[in-house]
Amino acid sequence: QVQLVQSGAEVKKPGASVKVSCKASGYTFTSYYMHWVRQAPGQGLEWMGIINPSGGSTSYAQKFQGRVTMTRDTSTSTVYMELSSLRSEDTAVYYCARDVCGCRETDAFDIWGQGTMVTVSS
Amino acid sequence: DIQMTQSPSSLSASVGDRVTITCRASQGISNYLAWYQQKPGKVPKLLIYAASTLQSGVPSRFSGSGSGTDFTLTISSLQPEDVATYYCQKYNSAPVTFGQGTKVEIK
Repeated sequence: QVQLVQSGAEVKKPGASVKVSCKASGYTFTSYYMHWVRQAPGQGLEWMGIINPSGGSTSYAQKFQGRVTMTRDTSTSTVYMELSSLRSEDTAVYYCARDVCGCRETDAFDIWGQGTMVTVSS
Repeated sequence: DIQMTQSPSSLSASVGDRVTITCRASQGISNYLAWYQQKPGKVPKLLIYAASTLQSGVPSRFSGSGSGTDFTLTISSLQPEDVATYYCQKYNSAPVTFGQGTKVEIK
């Protein structure tokens, strides 16, 4: 079945970087855009950016420009999200999410990873 | 950036009640609007996209309407399993943005 499996929880110190992976299966990896969304404890959903697994092009939310890098490895059907210069406010669950049809850069998200908790604490 | 504003922030209703949640965009977004359900500790689940298209497997008591700037999610007969937070999302163009959420509880 179609699924996205993310890497495990991380604990990082302020100023460090974290890299979260999201492995896709059950569909053609390069046919659907992949997004990253985060959710701080008790808060709402926040879009971070998008990667096109086919060509690797990316688009990031302005808030994260300069701190986030999204990449992909087509040989393993995996996308990665790296966030640098971590601060306590980055403590959140990070989700990868696939778009509904692969027909436009921005779309609704029908398949979500299970989430990766990233805790930033000294 | 286009802002999405949901109302109410929370509501409490009885089983069997008709529940309506609204979402307003600060600019027109045509019908590029989705609704998600998130139960506590769980991953968001897509309910509706293109403002009114029901995602496969979602119960028919959920429906969506609207276009432009004003949108509505309706639960025709609230069930205990519908206790969750509901989010709208606009996706006409980047950046994708979400509403702040509406928490639905059973009275």
